[in-house]
Amino acid sequence: NAGVTQTPKFRVLKTGQSMTLLCAQDMNHEYMYWYRQDPGMGLRLIHYSVGEGTTAKGEVPDGYNVSRLKKQNFLLGLESAAPSQTSVYFCASIAPPNTGELFFGEGSRLTVL
Amino acid sequence: LAKTTQPISMDSYEGQEVNITCSHNNIATNDYITWYQQFPSQGPRFIIQGYKTKVTNEVASLFIPADRKSSTLSLPRVSLSDTAVYYCLVGGLFRGGATNKLIFGTGTLLAVQP
Repeated sequence: NAGVTQTPKFRVLKTGQSMTLLCAQDMNHEYMYWYRQDPGMGLRLIHYSVGEGTTAKGEVPDGYNVSRLKKQNFLLGLESAAPSQTSVYFCASIAPPNTGELFFGEGSRLTVL
Repeated sequence: LAKTTQPISMDSYEGQEVNITCSHNNIATNDYITWYQQFPSQGPRFIIQGYKTKVTNEVASLFIPADRKSSTLSLPRVSLSDTAVYYCLVGGLFRGGATNKLIFGTGTLLAVQP
């Protein structure tokens, strides 16, 4: 199994450009999460989803939109990228009711110039 | 939501036992406590999870007192490869539950020296 796959792994944008990060999981997990991690900092929750067609805001949702049209995919969009959104983005999934682990992707490194 | 507090950093030497404590004073009845390890440029990976008392697996032990307001991750005989950031995460994943919003704390940077 591939687990959690993030696309793309690296991207450079100019201020004002838009882009979408794709997270795909093949474990049939219901819950999916998007985090960002700035250099030397911890993980901050952007948005999450508890099922197909549902999304909710996390700690730092401003400037991002998400969609969960299919159970296996969770998309994170930046409509107008800003330098403050330069970060590493991690996607994770888990299957409730579950007392196990969050499975993380390898991360997507985004630089906004 | 249960907020977690951990030491920012800890130092140790190879072969020592390391104990990292996490405070979570407003933990909810349905919340579990999970610890993750993160290496640079990688996503966090699961170490251990518990609800109360003591849990042990092949890499660590987790001690949770009766009031569950704190937890301690114990790493026996650390090596250089255990140098990483360790996060404690408190939450309960139930359909419709209030703590599906999984928020990480700042984590503890463990530096193991020779």
